[in-house]
Amino acid sequence: SFELTQPPSVSVSPGQTANITCSGVNLGDKFVFWYQQKPGQSPVLLIYQDNKRPSGIPERFSGSNSDNTATLTISGTQALDDGDYYCHSWDTRAVFGGGTKLTVL
Amino acid sequence: EVLLLESGGGSVEPGGSLRLSCEASGFIFKNYAMSWVRQAPGKGLEWVSTISAGGSTVDYADSVKGRFTVSRDNSKSTLFVHMSSLRVEDTAFYYCAKGTSAVITPGDWFDPWGQGTLVAVSS
Repeated sequence: SFELTQPPSVSVSPGQTANITCSGVNLGDKFVFWYQQKPGQSPVLLIYQDNKRPSGIPERFSGSNSDNTATLTISGTQALDDGDYYCHSWDTRAVFGGGTKLTVL
Repeated sequence: EVLLLESGGGSVEPGGSLRLSCEASGFIFKNYAMSWVRQAPGKGLEWVSTISAGGSTVDYADSVKGRFTVSRDNSKSTLFVHMSSLRVEDTAFYYCAKGTSAVITPGDWFDPWGQGTLVAVSS
């Protein structure tokens, strides 16, 4: 079955760039979506269709997708970006990555 | 503003049943597919089911197929999931989420999500 693999954790210093990867077989042929979830809150859409930002999402969030890997890039990371990040794509059904805990320290 | 409000969660013994509801507002509910996604405490997201706008097409994760039934009442802008033969591993926060079109397609994303309702299955 189709699976998406994310690193369990990523650490970044404030102001630096964080890259969170999501890997899957031929993922570049599919659309990838990214969600942010902060403790005690529901997931929020960050990126849709690989690299598009919904209104209200800061420009420091961007996405890319090619070959077998999609990447969420957070430029100029801020303390409030601390949280869990999930990638999502579709095979015959919706699939989520296992999530990446981003720590800004 | 699009709002989704889940209700119906609670504690239930293994083998029991429960029905969750998701009341929608702020958009034309009958025009959009809707989904349920769950999250076990401290774990990641797991897609559960998606129902088309008209309700004629429903797809389920293998983990719940045959035990969960998703439906919708477009006249009341409400999404449901009836869960039966519940197992300990069904313990999770259950979120409803709005799709982006009337039918289920690989290009769809989930936005927004409700606040979630907790289902706890234990003896």
